[in-house]
Amino acid sequence: KNEVEQSPQNLTAQEGEFITINCSYSVGISALHWLQQHPGGGIVSLFMLSSGKKKHGRLIATINIQEKHSSLHITASHPRDSAVYICAVRREYGNKLVFGAGTILRVKS
Amino acid sequence: GAGVSQSPRYKVAKRGQDVALRCDPISGHVSLFWYQQALGQGPEFLTYFQNEAQLDKSGLPSDRFFAERPEGSVSTLKIQRTQQEDSAVYLCASSPWGTALREQFFGPGTRLTVL
Repeated sequence: KNEVEQSPQNLTAQEGEFITINCSYSVGISALHWLQQHPGGGIVSLFMLSSGKKKHGRLIATINIQEKHSSLHITASHPRDSAVYICAVRREYGNKLVFGAGTILRVKS
Repeated sequence: GAGVSQSPRYKVAKRGQDVALRCDPISGHVSLFWYQQALGQGPEFLTYFQNEAQLDKSGLPSDRFFAERPEGSVSTLKIQRTQQEDSAVYLCASSPWGTALREQFFGPGTRLTVL
């Protein structure tokens, strides 16, 4: 079993819809990252969180440490949000990130 | 702005060739990470430097993989005697701090195809 599991693997939404992507992990962590990867490879860090909730524009990330679960929400989705969204955790001890397989999001207009 | 840059962006190698992939981190960033991303998968950790010291190389898949950062800035990932299973995107990321709880800034990656 992978240490970081994401769901769904693929998601197609209509423009304007509210989107949720889930991440579950099985190890103790010091931080969790949500990343966005566009075709062509570039990865952008969206959030890094270790507790609670963070919001940036239309993006919201939450984490529940006890349940080892995090969600990324996109409100009022737009075709430009189409990308791969990756959850990654930093284990409690050490510096390296362990990544989920990613969620491929396509927002149709 | 000067983000993380990687070169080459694309590399095609014949099986058995040696390749060298370069990463220029953001100036002054202490930490540097290399990741391997196979098609359709999330990235996987290869190795980590803090300044010139390679503190973790547990993710390097074999002794054909070697990374260095001799002056604590530019890093090179070398793959000897490439195999088809080495085909992947190789990502470099840097971080301004040596501690665990910091954001990483990613480069665009080098797509390696081994024929």
